[in-house]
Amino acid sequence: GAVVSQHPSRVICKSGTSVKIECRSLDFQATTMFWYRQFPKQSLMLMATSNEGSKATYEQGVEKDKFLINHASLTLSTLTVTSAHPEDSSFYICSASTRGYYGYTFGSGTRLTVV
Amino acid sequence: QKEVEQDPGPLSVPEGAIVSLNCTYSNSAFQYFMWYRQYSRKGPELLMYTYSSGNKEDGRFTAQVDKSSKYISLFIRDSQPSDSATYLCAMIGRPGGGSEKLVFGKGTKLTVNP
Repeated sequence: GAVVSQHPSRVICKSGTSVKIECRSLDFQATTMFWYRQFPKQSLMLMATSNEGSKATYEQGVEKDKFLINHASLTLSTLTVTSAHPEDSSFYICSASTRGYYGYTFGSGTRLTVV
Repeated sequence: QKEVEQDPGPLSVPEGAIVSLNCTYSNSAFQYFMWYRQYSRKGPELLMYTYSSGNKEDGRFTAQVDKSSKYISLFIRDSQPSDSATYLCAMIGRPGGGSEKLVFGKGTKLTVNP
């Protein structure tokens, strides 16, 4: 079945630094990738949608300059949290889909802690 | 009004019970409906997806969609302790005619007690 690999699974960084999270579709070409964040006991909140080769579409309230999304190939999307602050600490999850298939496969998530 | 409403629970049932999980939605632009299961500190895994109104069965799981009422359900028969997880409803559509979105409910935390 479709597999999405997300890396790293856990990262601790200092306030003010940047962190990059990778999301790879291992056995299919992901035409669309979504990035979510999830706070404890909350649902997944969509941050942005990216289509391969085009700019990401950000949800209202999500800072484009802070959460940089790159979907340069059909198997890789990255989320970079720039100048991270403690309030950015959260669980970030990517999901991927391919055209014509409406099941979305999720990565295992990245636990970001900013200290 | 939120796009997707789901009672967060928690819901606790004895082993073998029938579990009913529900979501309502407000936008008729949503066309595809899914149920995901999420274990602690893991990404969600797809359980079922449906398009049309009606029932879809897969083993102990039945997904039900009522588009006229904007209401979806997931039933779990003969529930097992291994079913203990958070269950999230999700739906896909183009609300407002914009780009396709996958939107989640808050999730219902289920515990099945042996």
